[in-house]
Amino acid sequence: DSGVTQTPKHLITATGQRVTLRCSPRSGDLSVYWYQQSLDQGLQFLIQYYNGEERAKGNILERFSAQQFPDLHSELNLSSLELGDSALYFCASRGGPGTDTQYFGPGTRLTVL
Amino acid sequence: SQQGEEDPQALSIQEGENATMNCSYKTSINNLQWYRQNSGRGLVHLILIRSNEREKHSGRLRVTLDTSKKSSSLLITASRAADTASYFCATDARGGSNYKLTFGKGTLLTVNP
Repeated sequence: DSGVTQTPKHLITATGQRVTLRCSPRSGDLSVYWYQQSLDQGLQFLIQYYNGEERAKGNILERFSAQQFPDLHSELNLSSLELGDSALYFCASRGGPGTDTQYFGPGTRLTVL
Repeated sequence: SQQGEEDPQALSIQEGENATMNCSYKTSINNLQWYRQNSGRGLVHLILIRSNEREKHSGRLRVTLDTSKKSSSLLITASRAADTASYFCATDARGGSNYKLTFGKGTLLTVNP
């Protein structure tokens, strides 16, 4: 158990819909990272937050957005869903400066029908 | 684009044998990490090796890093059926301050009992 929690575990929805994925980092970790894992693209970095502020953006679509709240949990919002958005979405957390290891949550499997 | 490329894509061995997986990357790095993923589940951090290190051990795992060749290898000794999983290398590019990881496509290891 990495200490990172994600909910829900599974999500099935229809095209055009909007969903919210939730992540709680390890206790004390300020950084949260979101990654998408799909069969064709592999594991791709989406976005990072540090102590409530966006720090880095990767291959995140404009239809996707995220935020980190004062209690450090983070949410990834996916809207106008398309079939191709079906994937595993992971969040990871990292401790403070000097700690390089990212600890991953169990993921949310999103299926868009 | 994927920074790391694992080789081979798939590896099948017998229990008790050693398994070696390789990873190549393209840009200078701060560190390189190896993760394990059981089918469709979360990523488990295995080991981190920094750019100024050449070899590191953790239990049955041995990681080497050759920054001149931009490559790393992961050796699992005395493999067990429970080692069956996908193994990913991930790099944290030098010069970045956000520690975002770039993953390879992974090696699928099957250990037959």
